[in-house]
Amino acid sequence: QVTLRESGPALVKPTQTLTLACTFSGFSLTTSGMCVSWIRQPPGKPLEWLARIDWDDDKFYNTSLKTRLTISKDTSKNQVVLTMTNMDPVDTATYYCARLIRGGYASGSTDAFDIWGQGTVVTVSS
Amino acid sequence: EIVLTQSPDTLSLSPGERATLSCRASESVTSSYLAWYQQKPGQAPRLLIYGASSRANGVPDRFSGSGSGTDFTLTISRLEPEDFAAYYCQQYAGSRMYSFGQGTKLEIK
Repeated sequence: QVTLRESGPALVKPTQTLTLACTFSGFSLTTSGMCVSWIRQPPGKPLEWLARIDWDDDKFYNTSLKTRLTISKDTSKNQVVLTMTNMDPVDTATYYCARLIRGGYASGSTDAFDIWGQGTVVTVSS
Repeated sequence: EIVLTQSPDTLSLSPGERATLSCRASESVTSSYLAWYQQKPGQAPRLLIYGASSRANGVPDRFSGSGSGTDFTLTISRLEPEDFAAYYCQQYAGSRMYSFGQGTKLEIK
């Protein structure tokens, strides 16, 4: 069974750096085609994709947030970490991590976010 | 960046009716990279359709996707009470960026 779980602080102050962890099981980020993304959703608003990291350590970022984001992985811990600098109240949102399997690489590939974590709520306030 | 515009914003229908949700892209999208998600209040999104028309594991066959180029459609043939939720389309255009539509809320009439 594939699961992902987000963890991190519920409250951060403006200008601080947010660090979130996505701990997963049921697949390996060393397997060709496996990727993990971060996606967020402010209260009452649509989803916004943030970043993606691939099995080969390739990294993708939302161009409008690129200067503030860093995504990394620790395959020994089955974990993906996202850091976001200079937090602002507009960054208040539920942050999700999700798996994606690139087409043509592995069984069950969809090129879509097929399994999601339950999300972690982050509030930015002084 | 490709912008996805969904219509309508809100769709009011009754159980048993047919629902048709639209997603229009600002530029052509490869069908392989167009997906639809369902999200219920307080829950994470759930993948329904990938590759524009393939149902994800466990998705009932009353859900179907179609379209190509810039126009895509999610159809729910006969609404069940559990289908009333928000729906999002999503694309990846190979430019190392993903985007989601603003969503359609499907509510009970």
